[in-house]
Amino acid sequence: EAQVTQNPRYLITVTGKKLTVTCSQNMNHEYMSWYRQDPGLGLRQIYYSMNVEVTDKGDVPEGYKVSRKEKRNFPLILESPSPNQTSLYFCASSSTGGGDEQYFGPGTRLTVT
Amino acid sequence: GQNIDQPTEMTATEGAIVQINCTYQTSGFNGLFWYQQHAGEAPTFLSYNVLDGLEEKGRFSSFLSRSKGYSYLLLKELQMKDSASYLCAVLDSNYQLIWGAGTKLIIKP
Repeated sequence: EAQVTQNPRYLITVTGKKLTVTCSQNMNHEYMSWYRQDPGLGLRQIYYSMNVEVTDKGDVPEGYKVSRKEKRNFPLILESPSPNQTSLYFCASSSTGGGDEQYFGPGTRLTVT
Repeated sequence: GQNIDQPTEMTATEGAIVQINCTYQTSGFNGLFWYQQHAGEAPTFLSYNVLDGLEEKGRFSSFLSRSKGYSYLLLKELQMKDSASYLCAVLDSNYQLIWGAGTKLIIKP
């Protein structure tokens, strides 16, 4: 089954404790992206990747890091989480970006206290 | 700046028709997407318009007017399962997606 998976689905952590949210897709997509979704603000892009070893900042990259060492995986790293990073996070992938349909993972609900 | 405007919330009756509007002001245009998002779930693709006109897909249709910076999503024969948020997103000149905040659609029996 074609899908995007994210782990963990729910996470409660404390300020400053490094964490990684994993994302994996099995569709051989070149384009992958991370979004955060907050009430009333819609989806905001954090980082995206057009292919292996190619990553670029989105609209809200501060406080986040990513890597794309393999085509299928695109982890999101929070080196020192802060309460303002409490949000719902989605990973997405598409064939080549641009006008292609994006497939979203199930989401990770992160709470930073 | 870039801006996508959608109504925050709409209410409609089961079996009826509803039109969700989206207006946009972006640096360039390479297409417009509509996604559906049920509460607590991931967005799922509904439609993509890049040329002016109406695209019909079952009970859902999407319209685009590039000259007016305007699109709408038309839902016919509404069902309770259509209760969801509907997200409008525009692909700008850099092929980056700009997302609206979404329209929460409430369907009443």
